[in-house]
Amino acid sequence: AQKVTQAQTEISVVEKEDVTLDCVYETRDTTYYLFWYKQPPSGELVFLIRRNSFDEQNEISGRYSWNFQKSTSSFNFTITASQVVDSAVYFCALSNYKLTFGKGTLLTVNP
Amino acid sequence: NAGVTQTPKFQVLKTGQSMTLQCAQDMNHEYMSWYRQDPGMGLRLIHYSVGAGITDQGEVPNGYNVSRSTTEDFPLRLLSAAPSQTSVYFCASSYYRGYEQYFGPGTRLTVT
Repeated sequence: AQKVTQAQTEISVVEKEDVTLDCVYETRDTTYYLFWYKQPPSGELVFLIRRNSFDEQNEISGRYSWNFQKSTSSFNFTITASQVVDSAVYFCALSNYKLTFGKGTLLTVNP
Repeated sequence: NAGVTQTPKFQVLKTGQSMTLQCAQDMNHEYMSWYRQDPGMGLRLIHYSVGAGITDQGEVPNGYNVSRSTTEDFPLRLLSAAPSQTSVYFCASSYYRGYEQYFGPGTRLTVT
């Protein structure tokens, strides 16, 4: 069975702070895929990033960056210089045939 | 290109009633799935399909049926609604397993 743990249930920061959302996963598969999704207060689910298990390169997209470490089974997400619009629930997910979500981290960015 | 569409957006059922949540995608995706989202639980997979005519169970399949007669459509049937099925339901599709999934806007279902 596969499992995704997002230990931080809620995080509150002040605008312009950097924030890291943690994600730890468990799987017996050697080939798997990791994702981050964002769910803003409006409720839709927005895809942010996909990583396969053979690609451990970190990725940066604007203020967002992702750190994938197979040795610690972690796929952490950092937002640099957070903004109020970043306030949302963020989900980490793991997939082979089935997509398993973590329980999410509610990020609140205060002005 | 409408992406993934779901109907209805809201639904109230009485215990014991049945209904079908509709899901359609126009991206020619092979992989489709249904999730339910409950507070504090994240999204949990109900059923999924890897192509027309092929479906399989997810983490929480009890009380739900699916079928996939076409690539485009993947309806979710509640056989006999129970209050425990009160939730927000999301349909999603992707090109293939392991690719990013595109989600519909969700259906908020209340069972009284």
